[in-house]
Amino acid sequence: DVKVTQSSRYLVKRTGEKVFLECVQDMDHENMFWYRQDPGLGLRLIYFSYDVKMKEKGDIPEGYSVSREKKERFSLILESASTNQTSMYLCASSPGGATNEKLFFGSGTQLSVL
Amino acid sequence: GQQLNQSPQSMFIQEGEDVSMNCTSSSIFNTWLWYKQDPGEGPVLLIALYKAGELTSNGRLTAQFGITRKDSFLNISASIPSDVGIYFCAAPGNFGNEKLTFGTGTRLTIIP
Repeated sequence: DVKVTQSSRYLVKRTGEKVFLECVQDMDHENMFWYRQDPGLGLRLIYFSYDVKMKEKGDIPEGYSVSREKKERFSLILESASTNQTSMYLCASSPGGATNEKLFFGSGTQLSVL
Repeated sequence: GQQLNQSPQSMFIQEGEDVSMNCTSSSIFNTWLWYKQDPGEGPVLLIALYKAGELTSNGRLTAQFGITRKDSFLNISASIPSDVGIYFCAAPGNFGNEKLTFGTGTRLTIIP
């Protein structure tokens, strides 16, 4: 069965800390995505990647970076966490090709920055 | 980026009731998608629509691609407890291989 695994379900960090959110998919998908989910704002795309070592900015990349050293793993990095980055973070993958309609999501990481 | 506005933001209904929600945009899309997020899980694709005016069903769920191509609608008939969750519309860019934009979401709660 298709699986996207996010390393932590809940994380609590302090302002200024460097934070790593890890995501692994076991479907050999080309594309991987990081979204954040906030009440009333829906899902907003932070970064995405169409290939190993490749990354593209989404709609809200400020304050974040990503790393994709292996096809199955896509990491989201908060260089210096701030309280406005408290949110639910969702990782997703898709097979690739011309469209990205069917995304497979992980269960999410609820990050609290104090 | 493009914005997809969903209405209503939340709904409180009794089991057995029918549900209607919609998604609107100022931009035209060639594809509309509906996802559902169960509590504590990531969203899952429910229905995909590819043609203006198209009506597609998935069990008790029916979705429509608006004639103007700027909106889409989702109906749930005879709601049951497992329908609880957040429903998102989504649309890809129109030039191929582009990211999905998601709507603001409609949270459905069933009152016992």
